[in-house]
Amino acid sequence: AQSVTQPDIHITVSEGASLELRCNYSYGATPYLFWYVQSPGQGLQLLLKYFSGDTLVQGIKGFEAEFKRSQSSFNLRKPSVHWSDAAEYFCAVGAPYNQGGKLIFGQGTELSVKP
Amino acid sequence: GAVVSQHPSRVICKSGTSVKIECRSLDFQATTMFWYRQFPKQSLMLMATSNEGSKATYEQGVEKDKFLINHASLTLSTLTVTSAHPEDSSFYICSASGQTKNIQYFGAGTRLSVL
Repeated sequence: AQSVTQPDIHITVSEGASLELRCNYSYGATPYLFWYVQSPGQGLQLLLKYFSGDTLVQGIKGFEAEFKRSQSSFNLRKPSVHWSDAAEYFCAVGAPYNQGGKLIFGQGTELSVKP
Repeated sequence: GAVVSQHPSRVICKSGTSVKIECRSLDFQATTMFWYRQFPKQSLMLMATSNEGSKATYEQGVEKDKFLINHASLTLSTLTVTSAHPEDSSFYICSASGQTKNIQYFGAGTRLSVL
């Protein structure tokens, strides 16, 4: 079955510290992978995506993620966290458009940033 | 680009009434729109997928007669919660997929409270 696991429900980091949010997936074929961010009471904003090619992808707001097929992982990283990064982060795996294009989301990781 | 507008952002209604939520793609043609439901502190659960001009495809366990979805044009989909009850209170989010077909762009969500 297709699934996404975000092992950390809540993470707290100090402002300026580095960040890594974990994501593991189970998918039968080559996955399309996404990271989205959600601020309280808001919709989701796409941070970055991986479809194919270079396994290290750059996104907006200084985020990057690395696709590791051998570990079925797509962890999100940022070298220096800003207070404005506090939000909920969702990892998702998607089916290709010609297969319905559905997204399966992980449970989310809530990020808190300490001053 | 790729802006999705969702309206209203918040609605309070009495039990038994119907509520319509609109989802519009403002700067692209959305061949597919998705409707999600999100409970507090939880992930997004896909309710249904709608393709322009076709009947929506509902996920297992979602009552199609309660959650009516219409996707009459390439820029507008609506979700109508019919005869709403307190248990329908939730955060509803739409997304749209268009030219970059493997990416979903999300609206800001609608907070529905049924009294």
